[in-house]
Formats: sequence, C-alpha cells, structure tokens
Amino acid sequence: SAVISQKPSRDICQRGTSLTIQCQVDSQVTMMFWYRQQPGQSLTLIATANQGSEATYESGFVIDKFPISRPNLTFSTLTVSNMSPEDSSIYLCSVGGLGDYGYTFGSGTRLTVV
Amino acid sequence: GENVEQHPSTLSVQEGDSAVIKCTYSDSASNYFPWYKQELGKRPQLIIDIRSNVGEKKDQRIAVTLNKTAKHFSLHITETQPEDSAVYFCAASILGYALNFGKGTSLLVTP
Repeated sequence: SAVISQKPSRDICQRGTSLTIQCQVDSQVTMMFWYRQQPGQSLTLIATANQGSEATYESGFVIDKFPISRPNLTFSTLTVSNMSPEDSSIYLCSVGGLGDYGYTFGSGTRLTVV
Repeated sequence: GENVEQHPSTLSVQEGDSAVIKCTYSDSASNYFPWYKQELGKRPQLIIDIRSNVGEKKDQRIAVTLNKTAKHFSLHITETQPEDSAVYFCAASILGYALNFGKGTSLLVTP
C-alpha cells in the first residue's frame, strides 16, 4: 500500500493567518482525500483532490477557506486560511481504495490556533 | 450521500471477554467496509476490511461480518487485551472514493 509523508506534524498559529499542509505519496494516485478530525470526534471529509481539476468540497467546506492544490499524481496541499480557534483540529490526507489495498492516512497535522 | 451510524459510543469489557461494535450504512452502492483503530495522538490504522462480495472475514482475534440486505456490519474482537483499548471507527465507501466514517467507539479493556 502507499506510504504518505505529511508535514508539518503540528503547528501553533495566530488567528487570521494561514497554514499550508503538504502530503507526498510514494506512488501515483488518482484521488487524494483531505479529512478534519476535531478533538474527540470522528473524521470528516473536507474535499477530494483530483490531479488536473478543481477539488470537490463537501457540504460545509469552501474553497476560499480550504484551498487545495494537486499539481501532480503524488503531491497535494491543503491550506487553512484566515484561521480562527475553531479551526484547531487534526488534518489528515488519505489515499487508496484501488486494487487489493485499503486506504492509508498521512500521520496528520495537529493545528492549534491561538 | 452515505450515512454511517456506529454503536456503542463507549464500550468497557474485562480482559479476555469479547467486544462487538456495530455499524449501519445507508447507501446500497457502498461496497467496501473497513475498520480502523486509532490510539491517542496517532493516525487511524486499518485493522480489517471487508468487501461486499464477502459475508465474513477473520484475522486472528478480529472478525468482521457484513449483512448487505440489512446494510449493517460488525467488528468482533475476541480474547480482548488491554492493548486493544483505543477508539475504533467503522467506515463505508464505494472503493476508490472517499471513506465515510462512523462516530467512533471508545473501547476500554480492563485487566
């Protein structure tokens, strides 16, 4: 199965600023998924990123707040823009679901907004 | 879209007992049902999965059953050990598309 390198692993940011999270995959994948996990909660899908097209966002998430880039088949970034304390969460990228392999996750980015 | 319900939200068992976590899903097109274990501060780890053409799958002390007609699937852990204590998430999807997660079950195994 694919191996994902995600960074940064954690960050503490001032409100009103932006943070870009990067995920690098060791193989080419068509779709990458971005999730948010708020403290003590489950994983919620933010968006699906396809290479060469705009990301598809889930209800409650908008491109202006969470812009996503997908420049090639092994890399994606998620930006959390104009942050507020409510954005404090763990953000995870994920790939998979094809062939005999399940889905794998990056190690996550623990974001604290102060 | 897909809606996954998971029960119970918390489960406490004695070491050596069995634990069962149940999930239901709403989209009959879903064909992939994984279970993840998440320990504090770590990423979710896949522990077992099942596809819609299979009714049951077992891996040592862990088993998953799927009832497509009723749209529910369950995780069974036998001979539980303290290291099984974690949060468990079920999910459902059409393979290749995003996973839809249940709300999680916090399992505590007491010695």
